[in-house]
Amino acid sequence: EPEVTQTPSHQVTQMGQEVILRCVPISNHLYFYWYRQILGQKVEFLVSFYNNEISEKSEIFDDQFSVERPDGSNFTLKIRSTKLEDSAMYFCASSVDGSGPGELFFGEGSRLTVL
Amino acid sequence: GENVEQHPSTLSVQEGDSAVIKCTYSDSASNYFPWYKQELGKRPQLIIDIRSNVGEKKDQRIAVTLNKTAKHFSLHITETQPEDSAVYFCAASDLYNFNKFYFGSGTKLNVKP
Repeated sequence: EPEVTQTPSHQVTQMGQEVILRCVPISNHLYFYWYRQILGQKVEFLVSFYNNEISEKSEIFDDQFSVERPDGSNFTLKIRSTKLEDSAMYFCASSVDGSGPGELFFGEGSRLTVL
Repeated sequence: GENVEQHPSTLSVQEGDSAVIKCTYSDSASNYFPWYKQELGKRPQLIIDIRSNVGEKKDQRIAVTLNKTAKHFSLHITETQPEDSAVYFCAASDLYNFNKFYFGSGTKLNVKP
């Protein structure tokens, strides 16, 4: 069964450093998302991406965050200058059709620890 | 925007008993309500969903009910088994809003053998 894959599974970084989290969505999916889950808290929407542009973003997704689909398969989340409060599990997700709604398929997550 | 509240935050039941998790939502535009199960250290996975034109949906031991008027929906698990132990998240979404899902805060279900 196709899966969303994410790398790295865990990254430890120093405050102020740039971090790139990578995702490979399921190949025929059209909508891509990043969600964040701070330990013990709810899953929070960060951004959705469709047709090579951001379709919606939350208040969390400020100027420190950016997303990119550099080629036909990868979908990346960049945090320019990490803060302690960015420590969380970051989930990439994809769905076939945003009007569907289509099931959200999540990756395994990338745990980011900012020291 | 949408606000999804979920209760209880933790639920402990004996194997074989039923478990009920409840969620409320605030935005009447929400029309799709999935439930995700997240095992420890794993990704959330869809277990059941319901659209606003349906009041109840069942899949073997799990069922979801929706009350549009009251803006609440519930997950029912019957004959619970230890492998049902996980964190369960409800979510609400507007079908026409790029699949932006608003998640509840999660319920940690512990099924004691």
